[in-house]
Amino acid sequence: QVQLKESGPGLVQPSQTLSLTCTVSGFSLSSYGVIWVRQPPGKGLEWMGVIWGNGNTNYNSALKSRLSISRDTSKSQVYLKMNSLQTEDTATYYCARAGSGFAYWGQGTLVTVSS
Amino acid sequence: DIVLTQSPATLSVTPGESVSLSCRASQGISTSIHWYQQKSNESPRLLIKFASQSISGIPSRFSGSGSGTDFTLSINRVESEDFSVYYCQQSYSLPLTFGSGTKLEIK
Repeated sequence: QVQLKESGPGLVQPSQTLSLTCTVSGFSLSSYGVIWVRQPPGKGLEWMGVIWGNGNTNYNSALKSRLSISRDTSKSQVYLKMNSLQTEDTATYYCARAGSGFAYWGQGTLVTVSS
Repeated sequence: DIVLTQSPATLSVTPGESVSLSCRASQGISTSIHWYQQKSNESPRLLIKFASQSISGIPSRFSGSGSGTDFTLSINRVESEDFSVYYCQQSYSLPLTFGSGTKLEIK
């Protein structure tokens, strides 16, 4: 069955770089894209970006200068890197499989930006 | 960017009532709208795709309608497990965007 799972540090210091990994199973990254979505505590969902099955990427313009999404198809992993983190980047970060609506989501990982 | 405006922000209902949640797009998006339910501390769950297409495993009391700029998620006879937050999301153009959500709460 299709599964996605996010992993990474729960705490990041301000101005540092966030690195998250989304490990997928049950589908090929060469056939499906993966999106990243974040949700600050008590707030709504924000689409961050996508890496498509062909490896191309698109980003939210508000984050584009700080964000990078890449993948390793052999490991079935997608990576998110975002630099210059600030307290407002505190959020639960989700990966999900791209498609006609996002039917498959990871459980999410809470990232707190604090010194 | 396409802005999705959801209304109302909060809807207070009694179990057994039927409700309609609205999502309005800032420009025409055909039927490229999807609806999600998110319960507290859980990942979003896809309820409806492309405005009105049902999703396997989702109760039939959930339905969607609309095209262009105005969309509606309807819940026929709300059950206790339905009290949560609902989001719409457009896939018409990048960047993909979500609405700000409607919280369905018990009256």
